[in-house]
Amino acid sequence: DAGVTQSPTHLIKTRGQQVTLRCSPKSGHDTVSWYQQALGQGPQFIFQYYEEEERQRGNFPDRFSGHQFPNYSSELNVNALLLGDSALYLCASSPDPNEKLFFGSGTQLSVL
Amino acid sequence: QKEVEQDPGPLSVPEGAIVSLNCTYSNSAFQYFMWYRQYSRKGPELLMYTYSSGNKEDGRFTAQVDKSSKYISLFIRDSQPSDSATYLCAMKRTGNTPLVFGKGTRLSVIA
Repeated sequence: DAGVTQSPTHLIKTRGQQVTLRCSPKSGHDTVSWYQQALGQGPQFIFQYYEEEERQRGNFPDRFSGHQFPNYSSELNVNALLLGDSALYLCASSPDPNEKLFFGSGTQLSVL
Repeated sequence: QKEVEQDPGPLSVPEGAIVSLNCTYSNSAFQYFMWYRQYSRKGPELLMYTYSSGNKEDGRFTAQVDKSSKYISLFIRDSQPSDSATYLCAMKRTGNTPLVFGKGTRLSVIA
């Protein structure tokens, strides 16, 4: 049983560019959440998707957007990249919005 | 004041020692408390999940929650070099609410 998978594992972009990160949830899970983890910090909640809709959003600007597909996989898009967007982006899935989260290994984004 | 406070360490202990990791929090609405382990360049792995106050034991790991003091702990008995990782506390309110994490404590167990 595959866990949460994320792609790519590493990404290097320059300021002003746009990036798309992808996530496939654990089998049987229909809820996907995205977190940003800066170096030396705990993960910060970006948003949650359930039934193809954004259900909750953390304190992140509109440059951060997402999507959930009918197969429950999800994308995180970040526009107009800033140096401060450099971080590990974590996807987590759960069998429903109130249940325990299981994390993927993350995508390490470096903005130069 | 941050909602969840956690000493980032680093904490270095000899193999076989008992390790105590702690977090404090300010939001009395938190009801669910978790500990995650994160190895370098990996995602967090759920270790312990508890609801409200009390103790929970799983093998070498014991989680304690004291809601009256807004204080949670994770104890690791007979620590092993493979326990070397960053330990993140996390907590949430009831209902569909996001996890709020501490900064994580970096632990090294020396053989």
